[in-house]
Amino acid sequence: RKEVEQDPGPFNVPEGATVAFNCTYSNSASQSFFWYRQDCRKEPKLLMSVYSSGNEDGRFTAQLNRASQYISLLIRDSKLSDSATYLCVVTLTGYSSASKIIFGSGTRLSIRP
Amino acid sequence: DADVTQTPRNRITKTGKRIMLECSQTKGHDRMYWYRQDPGLGLRLIYYSFDVKDINKGEISDGYSVSRQAQAKFSLSLESAIPNQTALYFCATSSNRPGAHTEAFFGQGTRLTVV
Repeated sequence: RKEVEQDPGPFNVPEGATVAFNCTYSNSASQSFFWYRQDCRKEPKLLMSVYSSGNEDGRFTAQLNRASQYISLLIRDSKLSDSATYLCVVTLTGYSSASKIIFGSGTRLSIRP
Repeated sequence: DADVTQTPRNRITKTGKRIMLECSQTKGHDRMYWYRQDPGLGLRLIYYSFDVKDINKGEISDGYSVSRQAQAKFSLSLESAIPNQTALYFCATSSNRPGAHTEAFFGQGTRLTVV
């Protein structure tokens, strides 16, 4: 079983639609959670951190459910420029060598006019 | 200038050749990582290092080696390149503060083709 699992998509939705992605993680000791965005042939870039209380950044809302080991990303009023691959990222921090950053394989989103 | 710089950005090499990919960072982070990305497989960890004296294998370290020459530099070597090492390679860094809500910062990637 992968440590971080995402639906690969692709999600193909019309401009203006609301779309949601989910991600599950297997290590209950995971401490930090993020959504990254990756455009084709570019490096991943941080979209937003995910906090236990949930957080919102403009049209983007992230939720964390530690009990179910589940993270979500909601995009409202989607734009053509939102087309990208969205990576769920989980980290274990600390000084031990067990600490690491784990990426999901990504969910591809395509927004059509 | 980018905080995490990878060189070269693109490279075509022949099977059996030795090649080194270099990464340097100005973030002051202790932790550095090498990933490869293949279509449909996402980012897979090759090696990671938490300081100059600490090197750890990731999930796909076979056929690769690394060197942490300094806090700011982490290089990846393919001792004898083979075609299935054709991929997009990313270097990344992160903070080492325990409990910190740390994010990873990526270089722009190196597109490697082994023919």
